[in-house]
Amino acid sequence: RKEVEQDPGPFNVPEGATVAFNCTYSNSASQSFFWYRQDCRKEPKLLMSVYSSGNEDGRFTAQLNRASQYISLLIRDSKLSDSATYLCVVAGYSTLTFGKGTMLLVSP
Amino acid sequence: DAGVIQSPRHEVTEMGQEVTLRCKPISGHNSLFWYRQTMMRGLELLIYFNNNVPIDDSGMPEDRFSAKMPNASFSTLKIQPSEPRDSAVYFCASSPQSGSNEQFFGPGTRLTVL
Repeated sequence: RKEVEQDPGPFNVPEGATVAFNCTYSNSASQSFFWYRQDCRKEPKLLMSVYSSGNEDGRFTAQLNRASQYISLLIRDSKLSDSATYLCVVAGYSTLTFGKGTMLLVSP
Repeated sequence: DAGVIQSPRHEVTEMGQEVTLRCKPISGHNSLFWYRQTMMRGLELLIYFNNNVPIDDSGMPEDRFSAKMPNASFSTLKIQPSEPRDSAVYFCASSPQSGSNEQFFGPGTRLTVL
């Protein structure tokens, strides 16, 4: 089983749509969880952390289910500028393990 | 503020040649990471340093790869000899302290080995 698994997509959605990405991880001892965003031919950048209680940042909501080893990201009211690859990231003591990413394409 | 700086941004070389990638982390950051990204394998950690000391190099694919961090503001990743399968984007990232999980990535070096 891969350490961090994501559906590669692409997810093609119209502007204004709500879209959700899921991710599963294999190491139950993982300590922290994140979503990074990577634009085409650019470097990954931190989008948001993921907390057990769930957290929201504007149109973005992240949730963690430790029992199921499952992480999700919900994007509401999609914008054209949300088009990117979203990387699910699981942290150990001092290193990060990245999923291969889910590509999102938002069209007019 | 300057972010992580990498050079060169693009490198095209022939099989068998030596390749040296360079990285300057964000000033004050104590941890530095080298990653490789390909379509097939995604983003893979090659090696990381803490306070200039290599901590974990288990991700380095083979002896052709080596990395150094002679001081807090400079690191190199060297491939000798290079092979076509080394073609990838190589990212350097830094983070403020050991255990701090947000990593700041440089723009990457796109390496093509012919």
